[in-house]
Amino acid sequence: AQKVTQAQTEISVVEKEDVTLDCVYETRDTTYYLFWYKQPPSGELVFLIRRNSFDEQNEISGRYSWNFQKSTSSFNFTITASQVVDSAVYFCALSSGYAGNKLTFGGGTRVLVKP
Amino acid sequence: EADIYQTPRYLVIGTGKKITLECSQTMGHDKMYWYQQDPGMELHLIHYSYGVNSTEKGDLSSESTVSRIRTEHFPLTLESARPSHTSQYLCASSVSSYNSPLHFGNGTRLTVT
Repeated sequence: AQKVTQAQTEISVVEKEDVTLDCVYETRDTTYYLFWYKQPPSGELVFLIRRNSFDEQNEISGRYSWNFQKSTSSFNFTITASQVVDSAVYFCALSSGYAGNKLTFGGGTRVLVKP
Repeated sequence: EADIYQTPRYLVIGTGKKITLECSQTMGHDKMYWYQQDPGMELHLIHYSYGVNSTEKGDLSSESTVSRIRTEHFPLTLESARPSHTSQYLCASSVSSYNSPLHFGNGTRLTVT
């Protein structure tokens, strides 16, 4: 069975601090995709990034960066210099052929950025 | 950017009523999904569809049913609502390949009294 674990349920920081969200996954497939989604208070989930299992190159996009380490089955997400607008719930997710291509979500991490 | 619409946004209804949550997308996506989101945030897949006349139950057992008569429309029905059905319901769609991100609607927050 595939599984995604986000050990942190809530993180509270002061504006301009960096925030790192942890994600650990389990799958039997050798080919799979990992995603991060953001859910602001308005409710809809917004796609942030996708990574395939063969691409361990880490990426930086503006204030966001991702660290994919296949050896530890982790796909961590960092917000640099956080802003109040970053306050949201962040979900890590996994898709693989073994699970019939359905997306499995982690439990989510609520990030609260205080001014 | 995918356009996917859910109605109603909020619904408060009494026990025993039949309800239908609407979901429509305008991007021609083959795959559509319903997720149930607990107050504790966790998302659980309850139904999915790979195309017209194709529906499957998800990982979480649900008393709701779905239909997919048209590509763009994927309604969810509860024949007899109960307080245990109180939750947020999120509809999503994607193109066929399994590495495609899901595009989500704004959700329907259902309260059964």
